[in-house]
Amino acid sequence: QSALTQPPSVSGSPGQSVTISCTGTSSDVGSYNRVSWYQQPPGTAPKLMIYEVSNRPSGVPDRFSGSKSGNTASLTISGLQAEDEADYYCSSYTSNRTWVFGGGTKLTVL
Amino acid sequence: QVQLVESGGGVVQPGRSLRLSCAASGFTFSTYGMHWVRQAPGKGLEWVAATSSDGSSKYYADSVKGRFTISRDNSKNTLSLLMNSLRGADTAVYYCAKGHSGGWYYLDNWGQGTLVTVSS
Repeated sequence: QSALTQPPSVSGSPGQSVTISCTGTSSDVGSYNRVSWYQQPPGTAPKLMIYEVSNRPSGVPDRFSGSKSGNTASLTISGLQAEDEADYYCSSYTSNRTWVFGGGTKLTVL
Repeated sequence: QVQLVESGGGVVQPGRSLRLSCAASGFTFSTYGMHWVRQAPGKGLEWVAATSSDGSSKYYADSVKGRFTISRDNSKNTLSLLMNSLRGADTAVYYCAKGHSGGWYYLDNWGQGTLVTVSS
């Protein structure tokens, strides 16, 4: 159950777009569309931002979008805002009937 | 609105046991899969365990398998995590999380967490 691989940090200026990658294996990301993304501002609980690769729960701005190609999923945030600054985690269901998270990516809005 | 309130955290010695509870409200508890996820201080999220809506299916991370037991009481809207043979590496904030209506593969509501510290 190795963690999914995410870049430790990304940054962008307000109004710009950033993309966070999440690389797994053929036993998790590559085999299922059961990929989700979570936002966690400092000192708070995680919040679901994307589920089933590219679906947004109600209330999540359409500036957040998800995609997947092979063993790698991606989260793109367009029109960056200061409030987007947080840690972001991807997650996938696995062939072992378990779940795995990525190591997390710290987004800094410059 | 959905509320998940964890309790039972605290300081415990290595090798001892602790039971966490999660009180759920604001939704039909018995129809959703539930999870425990933990976060060590300054570290990332780690999935711990999950149970199906009726409690018949339970899954665990390798790091806790054989030591932790997830359970639920649908009559009391309560999720539990019994943690035995605790180790220093189990020190973390433990979150209770609700599975999404589109499938328990996604965690759409989280509690605020309860801190477990394993130390002598």
